[in-house]
Amino acid sequence: EAGVAQSPRYKIIEKRQSVAFWCNPISGHATLYWYQQILGQGPKLLIQFQNNGVVDDSQLPKDRFSAERLKGVDSTLKIQPAKLEDSAVYLCASSVGTENTEAFFGQGTRLTVV
Amino acid sequence: AQSVSQHNHHVILSEAASLELGCNYSYGGTVNLFWYVQYPGQHLQLLLKYFSGDPLVKGIKGFEAEFIKSKFSFNLRKPSVQWSDTAEYFCAVNRRAAGNKLTFGGGTRVLVKP
Repeated sequence: EAGVAQSPRYKIIEKRQSVAFWCNPISGHATLYWYQQILGQGPKLLIQFQNNGVVDDSQLPKDRFSAERLKGVDSTLKIQPAKLEDSAVYLCASSVGTENTEAFFGQGTRLTVV
Repeated sequence: AQSVSQHNHHVILSEAASLELGCNYSYGGTVNLFWYVQYPGQHLQLLLKYFSGDPLVKGIKGFEAEFIKSKFSFNLRKPSVQWSDTAEYFCAVNRRAAGNKLTFGGGTRVLVKP
């Protein structure tokens, strides 16, 4: 079974630039999550999709972060403009449903903002 | 808001030693509990999970965890570690019927010396 695919693996940008991350979940997984993992901390949920609808984006800094999952499959997370404190690993995960199911994680995109 | 705390940030032990990692959560309702592991250079993988039933849960690679509801704890154990258990371990919780969103602890880095 193919896992959750993310690209790019690494990205270095200057502050105030924009950046986008891509995620392809496991086939058939209706629920998709984006997590932010700052160095030395556990992952923190940014946004959760069920198919192409947003279930929870309460932790997403909407002044600079946006995410979409237009066709209910792939998803893109964008940061514009980036700040130094956005340096982190951005993890995408997917699960079959929204209750009592395991989430499968991708390898993440490591973003460094300089 | 719920929170998850892991008591140790770093653990160093020798092969064949026993391992116990502490995890406590703060939420009075019904929860699902997880332990994830991240080996160097790899993605987060599920070690074990508790949804209901027997509070002693057995996972992959000889790991087990015990859910003690009265103590809001879900400690991870392995009787005899191997060098290949060197990794970072994350405890995570989600609230039942609240959409599968995971709250993670800060992680524990485990180094097993050969």
